[in-house]
Amino acid sequence: GQQLNQSPQSMFIQEGEDVSMNCTSSSIFNTWLWYKQDPGEGPVLLIALYKAGELTSNGRLTAQFGITRKDSFLNISASIPSDVGIYFCAGRDTGTYKYIFGTGTRLKVLA
Amino acid sequence: ETGVTQTPRHLVMGMTNKKSLKCEQHLGHNAMYWYKQSAKKPLELMFVYNFKEQTENNSVPSRFSPECPNSSHLFLHLHTLQPEDSALYLCASSQEGQYNEQFFGPGTRLTVL
Repeated sequence: GQQLNQSPQSMFIQEGEDVSMNCTSSSIFNTWLWYKQDPGEGPVLLIALYKAGELTSNGRLTAQFGITRKDSFLNISASIPSDVGIYFCAGRDTGTYKYIFGTGTRLKVLA
Repeated sequence: ETGVTQTPRHLVMGMTNKKSLKCEQHLGHNAMYWYKQSAKKPLELMFVYNFKEQTENNSVPSRFSPECPNSSHLFLHLHTLQPEDSALYLCASSQEGQYNEQFFGPGTRLTVL
């Protein structure tokens, strides 16, 4: 079946550092979504991407839809303690229109 | 607050119990979803409803029974569950069309004893 490889699985960074994470797929997607999930809560949508090559920002967050349509990355600049959480990517399959989710990147920020 | 609410937030049940999870969306969306989230696994899609009609059942055991009485409400009826069914159950909604981001509720943490 389809798989989304999300990396890294976890990151420990110092406050103020920049963060980069990515997702790669074995198949083409027509939409990429990035979510953040806090403990005990549901995922919250951060950024949505709809076109290959699209670069979108939301405050300190920037995400890009890879030109091959098989990958996406999320960058967080100048991390702060409240950035702690699990970040998920989700890609929408062009054939089934279902979203496939990555396994998440667990981010911990050291003050 | 994402506009999707779920109750209860926590549920502990025995294997012989019957319980129901409730989801309500206040976003005017026409599609609703149930997902299962287990530790260290990707989100697993269980059921999809479009305009109250079930359009997807992802090989979910019959001990999980969904119900969608209208486009704003979604239920998941549970009976004779197994301990391995313990997980976070997430409801989501979307507006089907060109831009169809899914918005999630806070989830119900289910523990089956």
